[in-house]
Amino acid sequence: EDKVVQSPLSLVVHEGDTVTLNCSYEVTNFRSLLWYKQEKKAPTFLFMLTSSGIEKKSGRLSSILDKKELFSILNITATQTGDSAVYLCAVQPNQGGKLIFGQGTELSVKP
Amino acid sequence: GAVVSQHPSWVICKSGTSVKIECRSLDFQATTMFWYRQFPKQSLMLMATSNEGSKATYEQGVEKDKFLINHASLTLSTLTVTSAHPEDSSFYICSARGVAEELFFGEGSRLTVL
Repeated sequence: EDKVVQSPLSLVVHEGDTVTLNCSYEVTNFRSLLWYKQEKKAPTFLFMLTSSGIEKKSGRLSSILDKKELFSILNITATQTGDSAVYLCAVQPNQGGKLIFGQGTELSVKP
Repeated sequence: GAVVSQHPSWVICKSGTSVKIECRSLDFQATTMFWYRQFPKQSLMLMATSNEGSKATYEQGVEKDKFLINHASLTLSTLTVTSAHPEDSSFYICSARGVAEELFFGEGSRLTVL
């Protein structure tokens, strides 16, 4: 059965800290792994990863995929209170487009 | 950029009534749309895949007679929760696949059944 597991489930840090969020997966016919940020409403897209070892970067956020070990990490450096959200990892198993989501990591950044 | 619009963004209804949620792709044609459900403090769970002009494909454990999906055009899919009960209260989110296979999410619809 396809599944995506995220850790930790929740995390509390202070502004300026660096955090690493983990996502491991088991899926047949892997196509891509995606990271989303969810605040009050629907998820907003962060990254899509398809190849191992190539870091994707956007400002203070970066992510990398390891297809051999079947995991990805999302790094956030110099965290800010606005980074507080649930971060979702999802895997797209094939061309169909459906996503299998992990449980999410709830990040809380304290001032 | 491409936008997916959901309506209504929130709805409260009495137990036993039916509620329809619309998902529209505003500036692109979406042959495939996906409906997800999210309970509080939980992740998104795929309910069904909606294909334009054909029957939806439901995930295991999702009652197709209760959650009616219609994808009558390339820009509109609807989810109707029939005979809603309090346990159906949830956050329903649609996503649409663009021509370049990118995925766009709607804003979500929060359903509360009294």
